Amino acid sequence: NAGVTQTPKFQVLKTGQSMTLQCAQDMNHEYMSWYRQDPGMGLRLIHYSVGAGITDQGEVPNGYNVSRSTTEDFPLRLLSAAPSQTSVYFCASTIKGAGEQYFGPGTRLTVT
Amino acid sequence: DAKTTQPPSMDCAEGRAANLPCNHSTISGNEYVYWYRQIHSQGPQYIIHGLKNNETNEMASLIITEDRKSSTLILPHATLRDTAVYYCIVRPYSGGGADGLTFGKGTHLIIQP
Repeated sequence: NAGVTQTPKFQVLKTGQSMTLQCAQDMNHEYMSWYRQDPGMGLRLIHYSVGAGITDQGEVPNGYNVSRSTTEDFPLRLLSAAPSQTSVYFCASTIKGAGEQYFGPGTRLTVT
Repeated sequence: DAKTTQPPSMDCAEGRAANLPCNHSTISGNEYVYWYRQIHSQGPQYIIHGLKNNETNEMASLIITEDRKSSTLILPHATLRDTAVYYCIVRPYSGGGADGLTFGKGTHLIIQP
């Protein structure tokens, strides 16, 4: 199993650009989620999904969109990048509702 | 989810046991205590969880007080690779609709050679 994979590892965007952060898992987990981590801070939940076709907002959803067309993939879209979205983004997955979540290696995003 | 309080940093000598405390005085009866760690720049890694009994796995032991208001994560023989930020999280086993984890700032554990 590859576990949770994320691409790209690093990305630099200009203000106003859009992009999609990819996340995939091969563990057949129903639940997937996206977090962001700002320097010196803990992780904050952006969006999550409890299954294909179902998504919901977390703590800090503004400026981000998600969709879940398959069990395996959960992409995060930045619609119009802003410097405040400079952060490290982590994707996670878990079996139904469990607290043991499996995290990907992260995407380091810089918006200039 | 209940709030947790952890010391911001701790040191431990290599080869010794590292004991990381966590206070969770407002924990509810259906909430578990979870521990994660984050080694520099990597994604968080699940360590262990428990409800009220002490738990042990290949990574660590978790000691929960009888009143469940605090807990201690024990790394029995710390190595340099255990240097990381350790997060104590309290939540129901099944989070219902909001299945995210609430991460605080954690404890930065530094293992000294």
